[in-house]
Amino acid sequence: KQEVTQIPAALSVPEGENLVLNCSFTDSAIYNLQWFRQDPGKGLTSLLLIQSSQREQTSGRLNASLDKSSGRSTLYIAASQPGDSATYLCAVNDNMLTFGGGTRLMVKP
Amino acid sequence: DAGVIQSPRHEVTEMGQEVTLRCKPISGHNSLFWYRQTMMRGLELLIYFNNNVPIDDSGMPEDRFSAKMPNASFSTLKIQPSEPRDSAVYFCASSFSGTGGEKLFFGSGTQLSVL
Repeated sequence: KQEVTQIPAALSVPEGENLVLNCSFTDSAIYNLQWFRQDPGKGLTSLLLIQSSQREQTSGRLNASLDKSSGRSTLYIAASQPGDSATYLCAVNDNMLTFGGGTRLMVKP
Repeated sequence: DAGVIQSPRHEVTEMGQEVTLRCKPISGHNSLFWYRQTMMRGLELLIYFNNNVPIDDSGMPEDRFSAKMPNASFSTLKIQPSEPRDSAVYFCASSFSGTGGEKLFFGSGTQLSVL
């Protein structure tokens, strides 16, 4: 059974810092991996989708990488802003989408 | 497109009552997913449909839970009878392909409180 772990569970940084969120998974036979953002009381918004054949995807200040063989993905956020404060979840698709527990990010002005 | 639409936004009910949650997926999407989110267990997949057919309902916790998708634009998740431990946020999500490759789009969720 696929298990997805996200470290750290919570992170607080000052505005402007570059930061990395980590996601690890136990079964590398995946189709793709997605990173989501969830604001309090809201649904999830898909940020980036990386296919199993890809190494990374970029969208604006966000860059997600995938190392399937080692079961790891990272989400890099450049020049963080208070508006980036949210919970970030990764989800691994191996015919079922399994979510990690999320990293709660706080960017302080 | 208005995105995935869920109703009601909030539901408060008493133990033993029937609860029906509704979802309208994004037009053109052929896969629909029901998730439950709690602090203790995070996001759990309850059931998913592909082309209106239930593919995997192994996440449905008990027989008290049932889901239907009578057509491509509507799905319901029913709990009967409801119990306090069913209190959670229930999300509906849709995508174009059920076997991956496309992004998953979530609704805003239904906050269910069973007293």
